[in-house]
Amino acid sequence: NAGVTQTPKFRVLKTGQSMTLLCAQDMNHEYMYWYRQDPGMGLRLIHYSVGEGTTAKGEVPDGYNVSRLKKQNFLLGLESAAPSQTSVYFCASSAETGGTSGRPAYNEQFFGPGTRLTVL
Amino acid sequence: AQSVTQLGSHVSVSEGALVLLRCNYSSSVPPYLFWYVQYPNQGLQLLLKYTSAATLVKGINGFEAEFKKSETSFHLTKPSAHMSDAAEYFCAVSDKGLQGNLIFGKGTKLSVKP
Repeated sequence: NAGVTQTPKFRVLKTGQSMTLLCAQDMNHEYMYWYRQDPGMGLRLIHYSVGEGTTAKGEVPDGYNVSRLKKQNFLLGLESAAPSQTSVYFCASSAETGGTSGRPAYNEQFFGPGTRLTVL
Repeated sequence: AQSVTQLGSHVSVSEGALVLLRCNYSSSVPPYLFWYVQYPNQGLQLLLKYTSAATLVKGINGFEAEFKKSETSFHLTKPSAHMSDAAEYFCAVSDKGLQGNLIFGKGTKLSVKP
């Protein structure tokens, strides 16, 4: 049971190049997320998916696209990389949890190890 | 709109001393609250969570947090710091159940001096 894995771990791009980051989870989770982490900014949500074939924008979606063709995979694409996209990218997945005591269920997210991307 | 404020981007304690990391939230409804830890060059790991059962929540590695509605706080504590606790800690809030995403604070980096 590998949990959440991310490929690649490191990547250096030149401005204008494109690339795809792959996130895979083996926990049969419905929900998947892509975040970026920048110093002093915490984690900011880029895009997320509530199930196979669905995607939605998060807080900072510009410059990124995503696809969820298979339940276990969530791809993050950069069509034309910019230096402002230099960051550490984290993928997470979650499943419905709780839903007792009159309160709605919530998401407990499990994170991958991250991809460190540098755009020159 | 929900938000999270972590007071202090960097906290330094001596080994064996009390650890106190502060988190305040804003939410229009009773929230779900989480503390995550990130060790250097690793992903985030859940430390503990508040989901409306007990207000004092115990987590892994001896950490605990207390939900105080009147103060809109969810501070993280550990009675005695260990060198291995050096990491970055993130508080997060969700107030919409499955329809809500996590909103993270900016993080607090904990240093432990020998």
